[in-house]
Amino acid sequence: DQQVKQNSPSLSVQEGRISILNCDYTNSMFDYFLWYKKYPAEGPTFLISISSIKDKNEDGRFTVFLNKSAKHLSLHIVPSQPGDSAVYFCAAIGNFGNEKLTFGTGTRLTIIP
Amino acid sequence: DAGITQSPRHKVTETGTPVTLRCHQTENHRYMYWYRQDPGHGLRLIHYSYGVKDTDKGEVSDGYSVSRSKTEDFLLTLESATSSQTSVYFCATGQGKNSPLHFGNGTRLTVT
Repeated sequence: DQQVKQNSPSLSVQEGRISILNCDYTNSMFDYFLWYKKYPAEGPTFLISISSIKDKNEDGRFTVFLNKSAKHLSLHIVPSQPGDSAVYFCAAIGNFGNEKLTFGTGTRLTIIP
Repeated sequence: DAGITQSPRHKVTETGTPVTLRCHQTENHRYMYWYRQDPGHGLRLIHYSYGVKDTDKGEVSDGYSVSRSKTEDFLLTLESATSSQTSVYFCATGQGKNSPLHFGNGTRLTVT
């Protein structure tokens, strides 16, 4: 049972435009969400996070939005740059009495020059 | 990142043989994790550790065991490798809830 879902396996965006990556979750106990970026042959690297007490968090070109009622979060990248081409994973952790982080299946973002 | 070293980086082994993957960290993080990455499945948690000798199962723990005898080392063992365990394995460390995990660069394991 996939508790964190990224329904778009891939996304192509023109350089300079906005990239929007989406993530849905099913477990209402999740209360902290993270986005990771992964280049080939490297481990994922942390990008940005958001707590369930907020609905938006911004860091430079990256903004994460959380809609708790819809159990949906999105990552906005503005403006998109060629170096943003990577696989993006959303992840969630909750009040389960453990420190297990659950990941989505990933979205491959390609920025077209 | 966070001084995480995975060894080996690549391994090819035969079905039925035991395999041990090693994760070494220099950041003194309390939590350590083993994930596997497979197409269409993203990153799935195999086992994790919340302290020396303290471990717990993840969502895909069957066929795997772990040990953590020192803070800095977390070993993942495939007792009898199967072709379904062909994957890329990532080790990660963390300091607790609401702090991001830091990942190693992965071990590509092929079971023939």
